[in-house]
Amino acid sequence: KAGVTQTPRYLIKTRGQQVTLSCSPISGHRSVSWYQQTPGQGLQFLFEYFSETQRNKGNFPGRFSGRQFSNSRSEMNVSTLELGDSALYLCASSSTGAANYGYTFGSGTRLTVV
Amino acid sequence: GEDVEQSLFLSVREGDSSVINCTYTDSSSTYLYWYKQEPGAGLQLLTYIFSNMDMKQDQRLTVLLNKKDKHLSLRIADTQTGDSAIYFCAESPYSSASKIIFGSGTRLSIRP
Repeated sequence: KAGVTQTPRYLIKTRGQQVTLSCSPISGHRSVSWYQQTPGQGLQFLFEYFSETQRNKGNFPGRFSGRQFSNSRSEMNVSTLELGDSALYLCASSSTGAANYGYTFGSGTRLTVV
Repeated sequence: GEDVEQSLFLSVREGDSSVINCTYTDSSSTYLYWYKQEPGAGLQLLTYIFSNMDMKQDQRLTVLLNKKDKHLSLRIADTQTGDSAIYFCAESPYSSASKIIFGSGTRLSIRP
């Protein structure tokens, strides 16, 4: 069974640009969550989608947005990139959406803003 | 509030047991987790424990939960070089079941 797939693995963008990251959850999983990982702040929750609806949102500015499609694939978008947005962005999926037995994480997209 | 704390580093000799400790603040947390992250990789769920349990054992891994003190520990028996990684303690608050709050991670290094 394929795991959580995130594309691309690496991205380099210029300050002020926007970026879209993609996540394909494990087949049958309807919940997708996004986390930002930085050396200074650690792992921080961005948002969670379940059946195309955002159910939970972390404390990030409106420049960070996401969506989920009917096939459960999810995208997150960051507009007007800042240097501080450089991070590893991790996507995780679960079947139920509640943390229950834990999420399955993808390998992440490493975003560098220059 | 929601906060998970753990020490940043742990060094153990190969073959010894490793014990990684964690404290959390949300007493309503229903599930607590241990995740492992190897260099350049995402997070791998190692084990989880439901809040009404005191202990869970899974092969070389033993999780102990002291709910009164809000203390969680992960013991790795017979630590091997392949256990070198960052270990994250995490909780799932009752108030927000779809969100996981992570600690800052403990970097485990193995001495020969």
